[in-house]
Amino acid sequence: QSALTQPASVSGSPGQSITISCTGTSSDVGAYNYVSWYQQHPGKAPKLIIYDVTMRPSGVSNRFSGSKSGNTASLIISGLQAEDEATYYCNSYASTSTWPFGGGTKLTVL
Amino acid sequence: QVQLVQSGAEVKKPGASVKVSCKASGYSFTAYYVHWVRQAPGQGLEWMGRFNPSSGGANYAEKFQGRVTMTRDTSISTAYMEVSNLTSDDTAMYYCARTYSSGGGDVWGQGTKVTVSS
Repeated sequence: QSALTQPASVSGSPGQSITISCTGTSSDVGAYNYVSWYQQHPGKAPKLIIYDVTMRPSGVSNRFSGSKSGNTASLIISGLQAEDEATYYCNSYASTSTWPFGGGTKLTVL
Repeated sequence: QVQLVQSGAEVKKPGASVKVSCKASGYSFTAYYVHWVRQAPGQGLEWMGRFNPSSGGANYAEKFQGRVTMTRDTSISTAYMEVSNLTSDDTAMYYCARTYSSGGGDVWGQGTKVTVSS
């Protein structure tokens, strides 16, 4: 059982927008602006797409954005493309000085 | 270019230990933290711990306390993670990642596959 809760799967059509949620507690997501999001394609290492809740690393498409409200962080992908089909993981700092991941959300582009 | 290169695949017997290396290049090794993450076959990412190459200090996930040790050799810009008393549940791909102080891992190693089998 993961410390952070994500939906197991989401889907959307090309061009649409989707949101993936990441629910934690007041001891992790709710307490710190240290939420990151990763994209992982099968057989590949994870790729950082959002850090510090809303920041995008250089080279990451601006179709990816992040937000947070209370104990829930969200990843928004706009203008869905076939290449976005992957599994997405959230990660947050916790008051126990640990960095738990969410269970992962598989995105299917229809 | 900035990269992390990990050691090769390992096959170990139950009860043995494994030590995975992660060699950094293209940046100041002691300026960034290193996180270790593993992924069992068909499963999600699991955070194992965070290592500070500058101080040598580490924070471990509770489930790995006492069984995982993170170290480094600054002379060759290499971080190490050793897992002892292996069981079949430790069969996984192990990754190292360079991270910001706030946790975002912007550079990842290619992964090291560890198989535990009798």
